[in-house]
Amino acid sequence: SQQGEEDPQALSIQEGENATMNCSYKTSINNLQWYRQNSGRGLVHLILIRSNEREKHSGRLRVTLDTSKKSSSLLITASRAADTASYFCATDLSSNTGKLIFGQGTTLQVKP
Amino acid sequence: DTGVSQNPRHKITKRGQNVTFRCDPISEHNRLYWYRQTLGQGPEFLTYFQNEAQLEKSRLLSDRFSAERPKGSFSTLEIQRTEQGDSAMYLCATQLAGGTYEQYFGPGTRLTVT
Repeated sequence: SQQGEEDPQALSIQEGENATMNCSYKTSINNLQWYRQNSGRGLVHLILIRSNEREKHSGRLRVTLDTSKKSSSLLITASRAADTASYFCATDLSSNTGKLIFGQGTTLQVKP
Repeated sequence: DTGVSQNPRHKITKRGQNVTFRCDPISEHNRLYWYRQTLGQGPEFLTYFQNEAQLEKSRLLSDRFSAERPKGSFSTLEIQRTEQGDSAMYLCATQLAGGTYEQYFGPGTRLTVT
C-alpha cells in the first residue's frame, strides 16, 4: 500500500520559477528520500533527509521534514526545462530492511 | 546510468505465458529490491534480498511470482501464468547495506500482457 500522498499531483511552471512539492506520510520513518523519474525510465535518487534532520540542501534542491506533521516538501529553485519529470517521495521505515514506500508522485512540467 | 542493468527492457507476452526478468546490480551492493510500477503510480515494493537470502515479500507477490538471487549477484523475477493485471514496469534497485540508504534503480522492464 502507498504510505505517502503527494501534492500537487501535477504542476506546470515557467522556466526560472520555483517548484514546490509536498509529501505526507502515515508512520514513523528512519529517513525520507526524493527521487526523480523521467518518462518511461528508472528512478534517480535526488536527496535524503534523516528523521532527526529538519532541512537539507543539494544544489538547487531544498528538502524540509516535519516529523510532527509527518510531512516533507521538496523545493526546486530556478527551474529548467530539463527538470520536467515525475518526482516521488519515498519513506524508509527501518534501516534494517531499507525497503522504500513511495508516494504517488508529482508530475512537473517546466515550460521553456 | 546508475550501474544497475535490467533485461529485457520490454516484454510483450500473451496471457498465460511465463516470463522471466533479470537484474544485474552494482557489484558491491548486497541488497537488491524489486518494485512494480503501474501507470501514474509510484513504485510498490515486491521483495528484497540481502546477499542471496530473500528476506521479505510483499503480500502483493502472489504465488505466481518467484524471485531468486543465486550467489548474491544477479537476480531474476519470474511470473508464471501471466495475467493482464501483471502489465506494469518492473524495477530493480540495489543498495549497500550500512551505507547511505539511497537506492540505485535500473531502467526497468516494461511488461505488456495481451
